[in-house]
Amino acid sequence: QKEVEQDPGPLSVPEGAIVSLNCTYSNSAFQYFMWYRQYSRKGPELLMYTYSSGNKEDGRFTAQVDKSSKYISLFIRDSQPSDSATYLCAMRKGDYKLSFGAGTTVTVRA
Amino acid sequence: KAGVTQTPRYLIKTRGQQVTLSCSPISGHRSVSWYQQTPGQGLQFLFEYFSETQRNKGNFPGRFSGRQFSNSRSEMNVSTLELGDSALYLCASSYAGDTQYFGPGTRLTVL
Repeated sequence: QKEVEQDPGPLSVPEGAIVSLNCTYSNSAFQYFMWYRQYSRKGPELLMYTYSSGNKEDGRFTAQVDKSSKYISLFIRDSQPSDSATYLCAMRKGDYKLSFGAGTTVTVRA
Repeated sequence: KAGVTQTPRYLIKTRGQQVTLSCSPISGHRSVSWYQQTPGQGLQFLFEYFSETQRNKGNFPGRFSGRQFSNSRSEMNVSTLELGDSALYLCASSYAGDTQYFGPGTRLTVL
């Protein structure tokens, strides 16, 4: 069993819809949680970085962390075709090694 | 501020050869991490350097090695290349290992 599980999708939504992405993890030692966006043939781009349980909002993006359930989510409001990408969850313990989910491929249809 | 740069962007090698990849971190960042990305295994951590010292290491064979220079630039070397080493190699830069910013990657193809 992988430490970080993420449904690879693909996920297709119409423009303007809310995109909901999530990851589960098995190791309670994970303390820091991130979401990255990766366009085709590019490196991952950091979207959100959270530490504590709860919600964090940045523009159209909201990240949720539930440490008791070992579950993290990313919501994208008012999705745009430019949001079409692969979204990767990542997390780490006290060291600096990131563990990634498999990534979810999202397509926003115009 | 300039982002993370990686050179070369593309490489084609044959089995048994060795390869060296380079990463220049964001100015002021002292930590450089390397990751391998493949369709089958996703993103996997290789190693991390901080102030010229390897601070963390992933579960890769000894054919994979790296180093960091005094200006924080880092190189990664893979010896005796195998077909399975074909991947996108990503470098991530951070001030001290916390928030990691990725470069565009080097796509290595082993024939």
